Amino acid sequence: GDSVTQMEGPVTLSEEAFLTINCTYTATGYPSLFWYVQYPGEGLQLLLKATKADDKGSNKGFEATYRKETTSFHLEKGSVQVSDSAVYFCALKLGTSYGKLTFGQGTILTVHP
Amino acid sequence: DSGVTQTPKHLITATGQRVTLRCSPRSGDLSVYWYQQSLDQGLQFLIQYYNGEERAKGNILERFSAQQFPDLHSELNLSSLELGDSALYFCASSAWGGGPETQYFGPGTRLLVL
Repeated sequence: GDSVTQMEGPVTLSEEAFLTINCTYTATGYPSLFWYVQYPGEGLQLLLKATKADDKGSNKGFEATYRKETTSFHLEKGSVQVSDSAVYFCALKLGTSYGKLTFGQGTILTVHP
Repeated sequence: DSGVTQTPKHLITATGQRVTLRCSPRSGDLSVYWYQQSLDQGLQFLIQYYNGEERAKGNILERFSAQQFPDLHSELNLSSLELGDSALYFCASSAWGGGPETQYFGPGTRLLVL
């Protein structure tokens, strides 16, 4: 079945450090790929998305490129801030499905001043 | 604020009981989704409704049921509750439910079964 695998956390960084959170997927067909972020005590918010191979999604300094050849969608940010501390979820959605998002297990990011 | 509202925010109940979780989608969205977030299972899709009709079903237990009303709000009913049903339940909405459209999530209802 379809699945998403994220790098295990938690990830702890100092402010202004470079961030990479790895995400790989298994899917039948051509999925759309998403990164969602969950701040403490809140629901999930869409961070960025990409709908086809080689697309790059970007938002708030975060970027991820849809790599079909490696079935990956790694999240990167050049300089993290304390306010980026949250849980990050990679997700996929098949074009043929009616809206089901399949999520990875989530990666906890903590950024220290 | 995503525009999706969920009530109640917290719910504490006992095993064997029944509860109802409520969700109001963003204005104009026709599709509603329910997800369960637990420590052992992660985020799991439960069910989707589109304009009052069930559209997709995921890992939803038979003890659980949902519906979407003519005003598009949705309710998730959980019955014969077990300790393992303790989780965060999210509702999300989107315009029509297909393609790569964004799903907007509510703040969740935290259910604790004692």
